[in-house]
Amino acid sequence: ELKVEQNPLFLSMQEGKNYTIYCNYSTTSDRLYWYRQDPGKSLESLFVLLSNGAVKQEGRLMASLDTKARLSTLHITAAVHDLSATYFCAVDKTGNQFYFGTGTSLTVIP
Amino acid sequence: DADVTQTPRNRITKTGKRIMLECSQTKGHDRMYWYRQDPGLGLRLIYYSFDVKDINKGEISDGYSVSRQAQAKFSLSLESAIPNQTALYFCATSDIWDTQYFGPGTRLTVL
Repeated sequence: ELKVEQNPLFLSMQEGKNYTIYCNYSTTSDRLYWYRQDPGKSLESLFVLLSNGAVKQEGRLMASLDTKARLSTLHITAAVHDLSATYFCAVDKTGNQFYFGTGTSLTVIP
Repeated sequence: DADVTQTPRNRITKTGKRIMLECSQTKGHDRMYWYRQDPGLGLRLIYYSFDVKDINKGEISDGYSVSRQAQAKFSLSLESAIPNQTALYFCATSDIWDTQYFGPGTRLTVL
């Protein structure tokens, strides 16, 4: 069974600070996805990482993938309140099934 | 208009009742999925379909069934609902890069 672990599960950070969310997975996969979910809302795609060493950036968020270490990171730079949400990573097994992490609930404090 | 729609958005039902959740999409994608979300467990895949004639079980398919009526429609049924099926249910479609586009969700409560 493929396991996807995120840490931390809960993160409270001050505006302007930097932090990294980690996503580890238990089996070989070349594709990893990051999603954002606002409270009471659906999930929205943030990044698609399709190969080892892939790095994507959008605004204050940057995601990277190391398939050898089975690790993806989501780095937050100079956090702002609007980034408060739950962030999920997901791994694609054999191009058929997606396994999601348990999510990281981020709260940015003024 | 939303690309992926789900009906109903909220539903309260009783143990033993049959219930159907419906999903429609206008994105033209062949691949569709049903997930459930429980607090602290993330999303778990129930069923997925790559076209009208292709239906596959996901991680947690027991107690659920699906129907792919057309490329744009994918329904999830609970034949005899039980309380531990209380959850938030999401339908999703995916593009050629497997990026998933989620519907707004259906909050189901089984009493």
